[in-house]
Amino acid sequence: AQSVTQPDIHITVSEGASLELRCNYSYGATPYLFWYVQSPGQGLQLLLKYFSGDTLVQGIKGFEAEFKRSQSSFNLRKPSVHWSDAAEYFCAVVLTETSGTYKYIFGTGTRLKVLA
Amino acid sequence: NAGVTQTPKFQVLKTGQSMTLQCAQDMNHEYMSWYRQDPGMGLRLIHYSVGAGITDQGEVPNGYNVSRSTTEDFPLRLLSAAPSQTSVYFCASSYSMTQPQHFGDGTRLSIL
Repeated sequence: AQSVTQPDIHITVSEGASLELRCNYSYGATPYLFWYVQSPGQGLQLLLKYFSGDTLVQGIKGFEAEFKRSQSSFNLRKPSVHWSDAAEYFCAVVLTETSGTYKYIFGTGTRLKVLA
Repeated sequence: NAGVTQTPKFQVLKTGQSMTLQCAQDMNHEYMSWYRQDPGMGLRLIHYSVGAGITDQGEVPNGYNVSRSTTEDFPLRLLSAAPSQTSVYFCASSYSMTQPQHFGDGTRLSIL
């Protein structure tokens, strides 16, 4: 079945440390890929997206993500985490179904805690 | 530019009551959608619309109705509220289904 997996429910890092959030998808072709961030009490905000081309994409707030076709992964990274990055992060994919319609699937999210 | 506006922000209902969650966007987006967010389950698609007059079911449509009479508005109706519908509801819009979505701030709904 088509799915998106974020294996880490919670991650805690110290401020200034590097961060990598994992995202894997199950789909035969290359989907459209997104990372969103959700601060408490807010809606989701787009961090970055991948449609095609360069597999390393840059986003807002210093985030980047790398698409690896061989691993069906789209991991989110940041070299140095700030306390304001504490939030919940969602990976999402858009798949093309055999009927030609699109299907938008979100992962279950990773909650990031940042230690001062 | 307000983006996606959801009202109300909070609501408490009794089992069996009906209500409508409002969603409006001012970006002239064709695609609009409703999600519910529950702990540990991410966002699940309830209903979506690819344009005025066109709606379709998502992953968890039971107990909910939608309509899209204008490009701007996409209300979600709970027909007979049940405790299982206690959740945070998000409306989103985008130019198309393959484009990034713009989210409202959500409606936190409790069914007693």
